[in-house]
This record gives sequence, structure tokens and C-alpha cells, in this order.
Amino acid sequence: DVKVTQSSRYLVKRTGEKVFLECVQDMDHENMFWYRQDPGLGLRLIYFSYDVKMKEKGDIPEGYSVSREKKERFSLILESASTNQTSMYLCASSLPSGGQETQYFGPGTRLLVL
Amino acid sequence: SQQGEEDPQALSIQEGENATMNCSYKTSINNLQWYRQNSGRGLVHLILIRSNEREKHSGRLRVTLDTSKKSSSLLITASRAADTASYFCATAPNDYKLSFGAGTTVTVRA
Repeated sequence: DVKVTQSSRYLVKRTGEKVFLECVQDMDHENMFWYRQDPGLGLRLIYFSYDVKMKEKGDIPEGYSVSREKKERFSLILESASTNQTSMYLCASSLPSGGQETQYFGPGTRLLVL
Repeated sequence: SQQGEEDPQALSIQEGENATMNCSYKTSINNLQWYRQNSGRGLVHLILIRSNEREKHSGRLRVTLDTSKKSSSLLITASRAADTASYFCATAPNDYKLSFGAGTTVTVRA
């Protein structure tokens, strides 16, 4: 069975802290994605990676960076957390063919920045 | 940027009734997908329909696609309490990534 896991379900951080969100998939997928989800705005793509050490900016990369050192793991980094980064963060993975095939999502991390 | 938009934003129905929601999009696509999200959880893939298909079924789900109108519909028949969730359409334009709409929240009343 396909599985994407995220390191935390809930996280509370202070403004200015460095925050790491981790995502692991066990399907040997090439593509991995980080989204944020806010009410009324749907899912917005932050970054995605199509291979180890490869990354591309999504629609809203500002204030975020990513790391993919191993195929199964994709990390999202908030260099200096701000209150407007309070959100639900969703990780997903998919087979190649760009990002157009079915994406498998993790359970999400709800981040609160105080 | 959001490519797909779902309509209505929210829907409340009685158990056993059918639920229909629509998705409109702006540019040509390779495929369109529907996902479900239960409260506070990740998204689960429901169905994918390719641009050369007009209708697809999966259990109690029926999806249609009209590429001339740039629209799709998702029908859930004989709804159950467990169908209470948000439903998102995701379009695959000719570049590399899916674009998700803001979703339709469906509430099924017992």
C-alpha cells in the first residue's frame, strides 16, 4: 500500500525560528511536492522535486527552501518562520510524467507560528 | 495559480441523495483528477479522466469531462455520511504540475 508520511501532525513555532518539515514516501516515486493549503485558496505549490538534489520553484516559494538528499525524503525548510506561514502543509509524491499523474498525499502538518 | 474552480463552494444533502459538483478550468489539459479530503487530513485520489475521455465511473462516482466547455462534473450517487468531505478537482495543463481548485465542501446529513 502506498504511503507518504510527514514528520509531525501539529507544530507550534515562534516567529524567527527555523522550521523543518519532513516527508517520506515508500513508493520509489521520482516526484515529490510541497503544498500549503489555506481556507478559500485551495492548494498552492511551494516547491517540487523530480529527482534527488533537483528542485523547482512552485507558485509561492518565497520564504521557503527545500532539500532532497535521498529519493524517499523531501524536506521543507522555513528559514525564519513568520506568522503568515501559519498554514496546513501537505506533501505528495508521484511517478514521473511531470506532475500530471496521480499524486499521493501525506496526512498534512498543521503549523502555527506565534 | 489556480486553474480549476469548483462550484458550488458548499453542498448539504440528505443521506441517500446524489451530490453533484462542477469544475471549470481555463487552459487545455492532458487530464483532470478529483480528490477527496476528510477534515484535517491529506487528499486522497478518487478518479482521473484523460482529455480524450468523456465519462468515467468508479463505484458510486461518475465523472464527466467536456473539453469544449472546459468543465467537469463529479456525481456521487446514494451518498453516505462517510462521503462528508471536501472535494477538489485538479487539472494537468501542458506543463509539469497539477493545479488544484479551492474545493467543494460536502456535508451529508443523516
